[in-house]
Amino acid sequence: QVHLVQSGAEVKEPGASLRVSCKASGYTFNSYSMHWVRQAPGQGLEWMGVISPSRDTTTYAQKLQGRITMARDTSTSTVYMELSSLRSEDTAVYYCARGRLGYTSSWYVYWGQGTLVTVSS
Amino acid sequence: EIVLTQSPGTLSLSPGERATLSCRASQSVSSSYLAWYQHKPGQAPRLLIYGASSRATGIPDRFSGSGSGTDFTLTISRLEPEDFAVYYCQQYGSSTGTFGQGTKVEIK
Repeated sequence: QVHLVQSGAEVKEPGASLRVSCKASGYTFNSYSMHWVRQAPGQGLEWMGVISPSRDTTTYAQKLQGRITMARDTSTSTVYMELSSLRSEDTAVYYCARGRLGYTSSWYVYWGQGTLVTVSS
Repeated sequence: EIVLTQSPGTLSLSPGERATLSCRASQSVSSSYLAWYQHKPGQAPRLLIYGASSRATGIPDRFSGSGSGTDFTLTISRLEPEDFAVYYCQQYGSSTGTFGQGTKVEIK
């Protein structure tokens, strides 16, 4: 079965950087894009960006450009999402979600369990 | 960036009633690349519909999607107790994906 296992909850100070990992199993890692989606408290879902593990290419939401970086480690089937210059508005649950075979634009069947990130001084 | 606007914000209905949720895009969604999700607190979103009208695996047939271009609809024919949740539409036709702000379906 497909499993996406994310790293644990984090508490960060404003201005700090964050890295969340998502370890994939149960499928051919390079064949599917990986997306990141977040949900701030009381808010809706927000698409953050996508990485193609095979091509190592990324596309980010315009709103996060300059602060977000996605990377992958094919040896461990893990993708990483880094967000810098954190602010209180970045407090959210962060999800990784697997895209569909061969496409970077996609719906999502498989999701990670979510990582709660709290930005507070 | 394509902006998705969902309406209504909240829908108050009783079990057994029909729910009709709307999702309007600021520009045409190419190839009807529109999906719908159900989201409950503490859980990851659950894919219901993709390609505007195709049900995902294991989704009951009381859920149906329709529409094209800029106007899309999710219909739940008869609400079951487990259907009360927040529903999101998502477009994936552009290089950057976007979600609507959600419609909460609550028990009346």
